[in-house]
Amino acid sequence: NAGVMQNPRHLVRRRGQEARLRCSPMKGHSHVYWYRQLPEEGLKFMVYLQKENIIDESGMPKERFSAEFPKEGPSILRIQQVVRGDSAAYFCASSPLGTGAEKLFFGSGTQLSVL
Amino acid sequence: AQSVAQPEDQVNVAEGNPLTVKCTYSVSGNPYLFWYVQYPNRGLQFLLKYITGDNLVKGSYGFEAEFNKSQTSFHLKKPSALVSDSALYFCAVRGYGNKLVFGAGTILRVKS
Repeated sequence: NAGVMQNPRHLVRRRGQEARLRCSPMKGHSHVYWYRQLPEEGLKFMVYLQKENIIDESGMPKERFSAEFPKEGPSILRIQQVVRGDSAAYFCASSPLGTGAEKLFFGSGTQLSVL
Repeated sequence: AQSVAQPEDQVNVAEGNPLTVKCTYSVSGNPYLFWYVQYPNRGLQFLLKYITGDNLVKGSYGFEAEFNKSQTSFHLKKPSALVSDSALYFCAVRGYGNKLVFGAGTILRVKS
């Protein structure tokens, strides 16, 4: 049973470009969380999704950021017109239905570098 | 708002000595508390959690944590540290909306 898979591991973008980060949850998991880790800071919650639904996006910046978790395929975190301040490690976590935050499994993260 | 605080940026301990990584919490209601560990270039790994029951919770890799309601603390402990325990440790609390709220993290360095 593969763990939470995130790709790419490293992503380099120039300012103004778009970044797409993918997360495939563990098999059977229907909840996905995205967190951002900035240098010298802890993990900050961004968004919580179920299949085809955004449950909580209170941690998402109002502009340029969006997330989806379609019926088929991975969850996508999309950052449009990236800026240097978007450089961070982005982690995805998944959990089975009914457990939520009590049982999170994390991926290895995507390190986004904006030049 | 639910929150946790990790007062130490870094903890240094000699191999074989006991270690403690501190965490205090602020919640309304009963807390659900967690410890995670992050090794370099890796995601977070679950260590242990407290939901209810015994105040001393045992977890992975020989770690344990003590829930203290009067001091609103949930310190992570291990009787004998290993060099391989060196990593970044996060305390977390379940926040509103069924998500985890993390502390800033504490770097643990174990020297041989």
